[in-house]
Amino acid sequence: AQSVTQLDSHVSVSEGTPVLLRCNYSSSYSPSLFWYVQHPNKGLQLLLKYTSAATLVKGINGFEAEFKKSETSFHLTKPSAHMSDAAEYFCVVSEVGAGKSTFGDGTTLTVKP
Amino acid sequence: GAVVSQHPSWVICKSGTSVKIECRSLDFQATTMFWYRQFPKQSLMLMATSNEGSKATYEQGVEKDKFLINHASLTLSTLTVTSAHPEDSSFYICSVTPQGQPQHFGDGTRLSIL
Repeated sequence: AQSVTQLDSHVSVSEGTPVLLRCNYSSSYSPSLFWYVQHPNKGLQLLLKYTSAATLVKGINGFEAEFKKSETSFHLTKPSAHMSDAAEYFCVVSEVGAGKSTFGDGTTLTVKP
Repeated sequence: GAVVSQHPSWVICKSGTSVKIECRSLDFQATTMFWYRQFPKQSLMLMATSNEGSKATYEQGVEKDKFLINHASLTLSTLTVTSAHPEDSSFYICSVTPQGQPQHFGDGTRLSIL
């Protein structure tokens, strides 16, 4: 069984300040972990993925995440927020080879000017 | 380029109508596809696993007679919402998982039942 918990339902930051979106996971097997972003009325866009290679994963648009097995965490960070980063972010866990995924409840990121 | 094509992107129809949503795998043959549903301001929930040439596997609580899934070829899965009612209004998203790659999602279908 697998599950994922996004610790914050809403995060608000000022433009130019760092972003931290927290995610904890649970999986019976070695998981693959992902962060997706969804802008209003849009589909999902993959930000980055962890699939048992480097624990620090760099993604698109300046985002990165660090896989910490001891803490079962996969937090998403960005050094400096842009207005265009305002969206819904989903942490996703998938068992390698299983195909299907389990989504966290999502974190709404608001960026203030 | 896109790996998954989903059509239509937006559907508005009257209560009682049946609606078909198509999901196409563009670059590879997919023996398995997945259908998710997302209610407003909520996360995505897996509805069912579509299996080419055999019956779909439905998640607990999903009515298989309500949500008909057909996966007749290696590149196409369809989800038909039968006799749709306002409570079926939602965002439906399909996905495929190419070998060795993360899951690729379609752009979704926003279904509004009046």
